[in-house]
Amino acid sequence: AQSVSQHNHHVILSEAASLELGCNYSYGGTVNLFWYVQYPGQHLQLLLKYFSGDPLVKGIKGFEAEFIKSKFSFNLRKPSVQWSDTAEYFCAVMPYNNNDMRFGAGTRLTVKP
Amino acid sequence: DTGVSQNPRHKITKRGQNVTFRCDPISEHNRLYWYRQTLGQGPEFLTYFQNEAQLEKSRLLSDRFSAERPKGSFSTLEIQRTEQGDSAMYLCASSSGLAGGSSYNEQFFGPGTRLTVL
Repeated sequence: AQSVSQHNHHVILSEAASLELGCNYSYGGTVNLFWYVQYPGQHLQLLLKYFSGDPLVKGIKGFEAEFIKSKFSFNLRKPSVQWSDTAEYFCAVMPYNNNDMRFGAGTRLTVKP
Repeated sequence: DTGVSQNPRHKITKRGQNVTFRCDPISEHNRLYWYRQTLGQGPEFLTYFQNEAQLEKSRLLSDRFSAERPKGSFSTLEIQRTEQGDSAMYLCASSSGLAGGSSYNEQFFGPGTRLTVL
């Protein structure tokens, strides 16, 4: 079965700093990859997704992620964070042939104004 | 509001009691998912429906758990003989998609039902 590892449990940054959140997965087959975000008091919502094609995926609010197949990684990046990016971020993996989506444990991002 | 709704939002019960949660997906979505989330963890997949058919179940879904989606619209998740280890947030999500294969479309999550078993 697939598994997802998120390297950082809690990241603290100042506004305008650059962000990179690590995500590695273990699964031998073709996968669909996702980053979800949960702002305080709100539902999980999709930031971006990768299914095929260009491995550099752009999402909402200036976020992007790069799929590196050889490293089984799908790291999330943002060049300049804002206070409003304070949230919990979840990486998720879904094998191509089923709907069993596995989430990482999440990374809590705190952005200091 | 046309998002995914879940009821109740909070449920406190005593060990051994049965509880039932309801999820109303986005109306045009034919796929519905249940997840469980405990503190400090990401959501864990429990089960998935395509219309009224329950197509996948996680090994996490013990015999005490049962889910239904009788008319392909709302779904219920019942936990019988609750245990303290069942305390968690239960999330529902829905998506549209082609029959069979992975969904290429986004899963929209509801607010969850927080279960506390005393």
